[in-house]
Amino acid sequence: ETGVTQSPTHLIKTRGQQVTLRCSSQSGHNTVSWYQQALGQGPQFIFQYYREEENGRGNFPPRFSGLQFPNYSSELNVNALELDDSALYLCASSLAIAGGVLDEQFFGPGTRLTVL
Amino acid sequence: LAKTTQPISMDSYEGQEVNITCSHNNIATNDYITWYQQFPSQGPRFIIQGYKTKVTNEVASLFIPADRKSSTLSLPRVSLSDTAVYYCLVGDGRTGANNLFFGTGTRLTVIP
Repeated sequence: ETGVTQSPTHLIKTRGQQVTLRCSSQSGHNTVSWYQQALGQGPQFIFQYYREEENGRGNFPPRFSGLQFPNYSSELNVNALELDDSALYLCASSLAIAGGVLDEQFFGPGTRLTVL
Repeated sequence: LAKTTQPISMDSYEGQEVNITCSHNNIATNDYITWYQQFPSQGPRFIIQGYKTKVTNEVASLFIPADRKSSTLSLPRVSLSDTAVYYCLVGDGRTGANNLFFGTGTRLTVIP
């Protein structure tokens, strides 16, 4: 069973640029969530995708967008980068099961983004 | 969205039992309680989940009182490798995003 992988591991961009981060879900998982984690803080929810549709969004501006593909891999795109976007970006996959049980999320190692 | 309150940090000696309490006063009827562990430069890792009373697995126990307004994660006989940040989450898995508030967590330091 393959775990959650993310690429790249590190990335340096300049203010105003655009970035795309990628995530491969754990085998069999149909849901992916993206988080932003600033230094010393807990992960902040950006959005979640379930079967290629956005299934919830946190308090992030529209320049944060995403995609989920038929194979359940995912991308996070950030436009017009700002200095405050510097953070660890985490992807988590889960298997959404009807019935109300909170889904266990499996996290990837993250992508460290630095905006200069 | 049920938010949680945890102590910012805790210290413990190796071999001791550690209890980390989380307050969630506005927990909803359908909400579950989940704990995650995070090491530096890694993604969080699921520890345990429960709805009421007590849940135990191979690494921890979770105690939830009848009113469910708090929960306690219990780590038996901690070792140095248990030094990490521990997050309590409360939410309803049926609606996708409602369970995804991590807060600032509790930084546990295990001392030799």
